[in-house]
Amino acid sequence: DGGITQSPKYLFRKEGQNVTLSCEQNLNHDAMYWYRQDPGQGLRLIYYSQIVNDFQKGDIAEGYSVSREKKESFPLTVTSAQKNPTAFYLCASFGAFSGNTIYFGEGSWLTVV
Amino acid sequence: SQQGEEDPQALSIQEGENATMNCSYKTSINNLQWYRQNSGRGLVHLILIRSNEREKHSGRLRVTLDTSKKSSSLLITASRAADTASYFCATLTGTASKLTFGTGTRLQVTL
Repeated sequence: DGGITQSPKYLFRKEGQNVTLSCEQNLNHDAMYWYRQDPGQGLRLIYYSQIVNDFQKGDIAEGYSVSREKKESFPLTVTSAQKNPTAFYLCASFGAFSGNTIYFGEGSWLTVV
Repeated sequence: SQQGEEDPQALSIQEGENATMNCSYKTSINNLQWYRQNSGRGLVHLILIRSNEREKHSGRLRVTLDTSKKSSSLLITASRAADTASYFCATLTGTASKLTFGTGTRLQVTL
C-alpha cells in the first residue's frame, strides 16, 4: 500500500546523543515535512523540503538537521544542541496529484533521559 | 509562531449534539484544511476549502471560510463517541508549500 512510514515508533536516548528519525514515502510526493508536537499542543514545523537536495527551515529548526538525498526519504536528526528534544515527531508529505492533501506518518515518540 | 488558532481549546458534548470549532489565521492563504488526530497517532485529512470558496460539505462535516475575517469553522453534526479526537486547521501559504497548523481543539463526545 502507498503511504508514509516513520521509524522507530518509540525511541529512548541519553542526553547529549544525536538521534535520527526515519521517514520514507512511496507516494511519489515532491514535498516532505517534519513537525514536532508536545503533549496537548499543536504541530510546529521543524523543516520542510519541496524537492530533492533542497530544504528550508521551519519555525523551530534550531537543534535539528535534515537531508533530502532521495525523493522517498527525509530523515530528521535531533542533535545534542536541541535543548528539550522529548516530544512526538510527525513526518508528512504532499504531492501535486494528491489534491493539496497532506499525508502523515504515524509518528515517532522520542524520550531523552 | 502559529498561523492558525483554534477556538475553543477543548469541547465536551453528548452524542447526537453538534460540535462547532473555529479557526483564525493571520496571513493570506491558498486554502485551509481541517485534520483529525486520535491520541498518539498521525493526522488524517478531513476536508479542504479553497480561498475562493465560502462553504463546503462532506458527510456530517460542514466547513465555512470567511477570508475577510481570516476565519474558518468546522461543524460536525450528530456527533458520535468515535468523533472524540483533536481537530486542527492548517493553512497552505505561498509558493513554497509551507503548511502550518493551529493549536487544535480537543473534542470529547460522551454517550
